[in-house]
Amino acid sequence: DTAVSQTPKYLVTQMGNDKSIKCEQNLGHDTMYWYKQDSKKFLKIMFSYNNKELIINETVPNRFSPKSPDKAHLNLHINSLELGDSAVYFCASSLGTAEAFFGQGTRLTVV
Amino acid sequence: QKEVEQDPGPLSVPEGAIVSLNCTYSNSAFQYFMWYRQYSRKGPELLMYTYSSGNKEDGRFTAQVDKSSKYISLFIRDSQPSDSATYLCAMKRNAGNMLTFGGGTRLMVKP
Repeated sequence: DTAVSQTPKYLVTQMGNDKSIKCEQNLGHDTMYWYKQDSKKFLKIMFSYNNKELIINETVPNRFSPKSPDKAHLNLHINSLELGDSAVYFCASSLGTAEAFFGQGTRLTVV
Repeated sequence: QKEVEQDPGPLSVPEGAIVSLNCTYSNSAFQYFMWYRQYSRKGPELLMYTYSSGNKEDGRFTAQVDKSSKYISLFIRDSQPSDSATYLCAMKRNAGNMLTFGGGTRLMVKP
């Protein structure tokens, strides 16, 4: 009964490939997020999305795109992967003013 | 300069000690303040969530917010080896906004 689940947990891929990470939440939350955690453990927001609005952090390259088939899912698609994209990607969700719950992360390694 | 500053540590304390973790921030628009705990290779889990200034206590954990000084703290009483983790402060401006994280403080509690 995992609240926020991400797949895959680990992803190793070559430069130039396109990959997707999936996220699902069963909490009935209305907003979902993607965060990137770099090698120094610094967590940075990439996207915030609810059924009305997508907010993009302006520093995120347009090779990254969120796709939401429904309120419970927010997938992250990455085109033309680069070495610098290697990081841990966390999905999270929240409801209204309440706190955000995080998934267990997807460790992406680009070789 | 980052919006949220946090000493990366590591902070090493003996079991049973009182631990003080702190963050400073520069954006006076932040209204909601959180502390997350992150174990190695896991997602962040919420410990404390406070709105505006004041104190909040939950078991061995106490969170303090001083908006006039733009300073927040997390105190851990009777620290245990199981408290060894990275502690991340996070904050946001309003209900729908994305979280801005500090860089995390690594805590080690030695038996």
